[in-house]
Amino acid sequence: AQSVTQLDSHVSVSEGTPVLLRCNYSSSYSPSLFWYVQHPNKGLQLLLKYTSAATLVKGINGFEAEFKKSETSFHLTKPSAHMSDAAEYFCVVSDHSGNTPLVFGKGTRLSVIA
Amino acid sequence: GAGVSQTPSNKVTEKGKYVELRCDPISGHTALYWYRQSLGQGPEFLIYFQGTGAADDSGLPNDRFFAVRPEGSVSTLKIQRTERGDSAVYLCASSLSGGRADEQYFGPGTRLTVT
Repeated sequence: AQSVTQLDSHVSVSEGTPVLLRCNYSSSYSPSLFWYVQHPNKGLQLLLKYTSAATLVKGINGFEAEFKKSETSFHLTKPSAHMSDAAEYFCVVSDHSGNTPLVFGKGTRLSVIA
Repeated sequence: GAGVSQTPSNKVTEKGKYVELRCDPISGHTALYWYRQSLGQGPEFLIYFQGTGAADDSGLPNDRFFAVRPEGSVSTLKIQRTERGDSAVYLCASSLSGGRADEQYFGPGTRLTVT
């Protein structure tokens, strides 16, 4: 069975400083990994996804994530935080074993301080 | 184009009542998913449709929960004899073909409150 652990429930950064949201996964098969963002009162939006191609994945709004199999990690980073990045972020895994549903982490709330 | 829509956006019901939640997926998407998101948690899978059939209903918590997708587009999640513990945001998502790497597009959710 697959699972994800988001290591921080809340991260607070100053505007213009780097963002690091940590995620470790567990999967029986080669996983597909995703990061979704959820702004207040809005639907979940896909930021980026890894599906066994390049290990460094670039997403929307300047976010990127690196798949590290040896560390079973898929941390999300951004060089410079913007006020509009404040939201809830979910690390998500889906097994390659078939048409399985997404398994979400518990989320990390990102606060950006002016 | 239009995204995934869900109605109602909010539903308040009394314990023991029956509720129906509706999802309109993106046109042409064959795969449809229902998730439930409790306060402070990530979404949890309930059921997955491929076309008209439920391909995986392993996430439904008990037999009070049922979902249909009779024509392969709109889906309805039905909850009988609601309990206070059913209070959550119910999310619907659709994807083009249901492949494990397909992007799932989420609706805004229905917030269900059972009093």
